[in-house]
Amino acid sequence: SYVLTQTPSVSVAPGQTATITCGGDNIVRKSVHWYQQKPGQAPVLVLYGDSERPSGIPERFSGSNSGNTATLTISRVEAGDEADYCCQVWDSSGDHGVFGGGTKLTVL
Amino acid sequence: QVQLVQSGAEVKKPGASVKVSCKTSGYTFTGSYMHWVRQAPGQGREWLGCINPNNGYTNYGQKFAGRVTLTRDTSSNTAYMEVTRLTSDDSAVYYCARGSPLSVPDYYPYGLDVWGQGTPVTVSS
Repeated sequence: SYVLTQTPSVSVAPGQTATITCGGDNIVRKSVHWYQQKPGQAPVLVLYGDSERPSGIPERFSGSNSGNTATLTISRVEAGDEADYCCQVWDSSGDHGVFGGGTKLTVL
Repeated sequence: QVQLVQSGAEVKKPGASVKVSCKTSGYTFTGSYMHWVRQAPGQGREWLGCINPNNGYTNYGQKFAGRVTLTRDTSSNTAYMEVTRLTSDDSAVYYCARGSPLSVPDYYPYGLDVWGQGTPVTVSS
């Protein structure tokens, strides 16, 4: 089955840019979705279809997908962005959902 | 507004079953797929499966087929997830989450846009 790989943790200072990656075999051929989850809360969809933002998600959140890596970029990071971020795709072999292991974003 | 409200926390013994409900409001229940995801402590998220609330068609993750059953009640706009033969490895928070509209050709371009609050399930002897 398809595997998504994420770096366990990323740290960034407020006001800087956070880059969170999601690796997968030829992931460029898939549509990648990103979720933000804060402790004790349900996940929130922050990007879908590689780079589309649901309503209510700030423009500071952007995404790209190329080759074997999809990227979530958070510009002008704020303390409130501290959370776990995970990527997700639909695996064409069975239409099954696949999640990355998640990346803990720490705002210094 | 769209809401998914799940049933409360459960504590079960190994070998038992658990059934979690997900009551929806604010949208047409039979118009979008409903997915179920779980997250065990310190672990990643796992996709359990999904159901087409319009016709009841289900699709299960390979790991869960045969042990997880998804159903729905269109009269109450509620989705259900049952896990049988529980083990300690099933201790996790279980979420329902709305997927793509049924009207689209495929759900690959869509993420899970609304989630329930989660139902903790603890399996312990």
